[in-house]
Amino acid sequence: GQSLEQPSEVTAVEGAIVQINCTYQTSGFYGLSWYQQHDGGAPTFLSYNALDGLEETGRFSSFLSRSDSYGYLLLQELQMKDSASYFCAVSPNTGGFKTIFGAGTRLFVKA
Amino acid sequence: NAGVMQNPRHLVRRRGQEARLRCSPMKGHSHVYWYRQLPEEGLKFMVYLQKENIIDESGMPKERFSAEFPKEGPSILRIQQVVRGDSAAYFCASSPGTSEYEQFFGPGTRLTVL
Repeated sequence: GQSLEQPSEVTAVEGAIVQINCTYQTSGFYGLSWYQQHDGGAPTFLSYNALDGLEETGRFSSFLSRSDSYGYLLLQELQMKDSASYFCAVSPNTGGFKTIFGAGTRLFVKA
Repeated sequence: NAGVMQNPRHLVRRRGQEARLRCSPMKGHSHVYWYRQLPEEGLKFMVYLQKENIIDESGMPKERFSAEFPKEGPSILRIQQVVRGDSAAYFCASSPGTSEYEQFFGPGTRLTVL
């Protein structure tokens, strides 16, 4: 089967750095994506890793290690507005065009 | 450039009625995905369509659910004879092509079945 696992909740303080992990079990995929979703809102794309290593986009960075079946999203200089749910997602390359999302990590940023 | 549009934003149906959800992709995008999201859960893939073609419907329930993306007009997700378990948020997303990893999501339709 294909599945992604994320912690259900993470709490951090404003200004801090937080890492949200994503471990997966899938036979093959094109890349690992990350999306942010505020309560009642639509998911918005944050980052994508096709290759192993670190991708940096402003305060957000994402990392992928295919050999370890592991990735993470790193959020720096946390702001209150970063309180949201964060989802990792993969598109398997085993036929078909579906995208599989993790169950999401709810991030609470405290003052 | 308008984003992905979905309507209605909220839809209430009684058990046994039909629900029709519409999605207009971003301008220039010809690929549409539909997802279902239950409270406190992730998005579950339902179907992937291109203009006039269903490419991957492996996530669609075999009965009561159907989707289309006609040559002209929005993509439609149709749920016949709704049941309470169909209550969820339904999101559509669009992308320019299959090689594009970034999906642009609409605001969703919140379906409530009474």
